[in-house]
Amino acid sequence: QQQVKQSPQSLIVQKGGISIINCAYENTAFDYFPWYQQFPGKGPALLIAIRPDVSEKKEGRFTISFNKSAKQFSLHIMDSQPGDSATYFCAASKSDYKLSFGAGTTVTVRA
Amino acid sequence: DADVTQTPRNRITKTGKRIMLECSQTKGHDRMYWYRQDPGLGLRLIYYSFDVKDINKGEISDGYSVSRQAQAKFSLSLESAIPNQTALYFCAAEGGNEQFFGPGTRLTVL
Repeated sequence: QQQVKQSPQSLIVQKGGISIINCAYENTAFDYFPWYQQFPGKGPALLIAIRPDVSEKKEGRFTISFNKSAKQFSLHIMDSQPGDSATYFCAASKSDYKLSFGAGTTVTVRA
Repeated sequence: DADVTQTPRNRITKTGKRIMLECSQTKGHDRMYWYRQDPGLGLRLIYYSFDVKDINKGEISDGYSVSRQAQAKFSLSLESAIPNQTALYFCAAEGGNEQFFGPGTRLTVL
């Protein structure tokens, strides 16, 4: 059973719109929450990550929002561009241990 | 040059055959991982190694084995391939909490 549940499985957004991907976890020992981005034919690559001591982290058009009490975190892609079309994976780990990945969300940005 | 390389990139094999997927990294990281990716299931961990003498099973290790020949090399073997092992396989090396993935091997078992 997956330790990190991710939704939606796929989404389509118009250019300039906001993409939102949600993840939930059960293990309260998790203390590191990265997002990976995967383009077709490529391996995933780290996009952005957060630790639970902050509620939000922003890097360019990508923002992670973290809700420790709800055990949820989300990725927001602002001003979505066609080049953002990719599969996004959330993940979680505890104390420098191995990652547990969500099932992935395929984002399609329509021009 | 790619930091993590995988060979072969594509492989078609038959049920019952033994197959080895190879992974090399140039980043000098101790930790390496093997995952398989299936549509709708994300990345599932097969085996991982935190150093040359450390090998651990992941969540779906049945039917697979690994060998850590050196810090830079981590190989995945399917002793007797079966059709439900058809998938995209990724190797990763980890440093500083970041996993660096290879380009993947697309394996088809007929």
